[in-house]
Amino acid sequence: AQKITQTQPGMFVQEKEAVTLDCTYDTSDPSYGLFWYKQPSSGEMIFLIYQGSYDQQNATEGRYSLNFQKARKSANLVISASQLGDSAMYFCAMREDTGFQKLVFGTGTRLLVSP
Amino acid sequence: EPEVTQTPSHQVTQMGQEVILRCVPISNHLYFYWYRQILGQKVEFLVSFYNNEISEKSEIFDDQFSVERPDGSNFTLKIRSTKLEDSAMYFCASSEIGAGGRSEAFFGQGTRLTVV
Repeated sequence: AQKITQTQPGMFVQEKEAVTLDCTYDTSDPSYGLFWYKQPSSGEMIFLIYQGSYDQQNATEGRYSLNFQKARKSANLVISASQLGDSAMYFCAMREDTGFQKLVFGTGTRLLVSP
Repeated sequence: EPEVTQTPSHQVTQMGQEVILRCVPISNHLYFYWYRQILGQKVEFLVSFYNNEISEKSEIFDDQFSVERPDGSNFTLKIRSTKLEDSAMYFCASSEIGAGGRSEAFFGQGTRLTVV
């Protein structure tokens, strides 16, 4: 069964610094996708970045990059040059490519960016 | 930019009442989902829907829950007899592509359901 683990309930970072949010996963499916979503205090879920299990390169989307280490089954999110608006909950999620594409989420990490 | 739309944004209902949560997925998407997030907890999968039928459901999705795509655009979640523990944020999501291939799920803004 697929499982996502986020071990950091909360993280603090100063504005303009970089921060890494940890995510490890477990699956027996050789083909899967890893996602990060941001949930601000308003509650919506905002897609940030995707990494496919067969992608050769780490995904990047603007200030977001994904440090994908397949052998370690980790998919850490790196946010560079943090901004105050980055303060939110961040969820790592996985989708196995067999079946009907449900996402399994981790418990989330609350990031607080200070001035 | 196309988006998933959910209504209402907030619903308060009495225990035992039926509620219907509504969603309009992105128009060219084929896969539809409902997720639930109890306050302060992680997002949990409820059900996926493809080709006008349920493709997968979790153990949370018991006989009190049902989904429907009544008119080709709306996608609804019905809870027949609400319980206090059904209080949560309910998210609708849709995605374009099925098995294999990149396709992120786009989430709606959520409906906060409060059962009193």
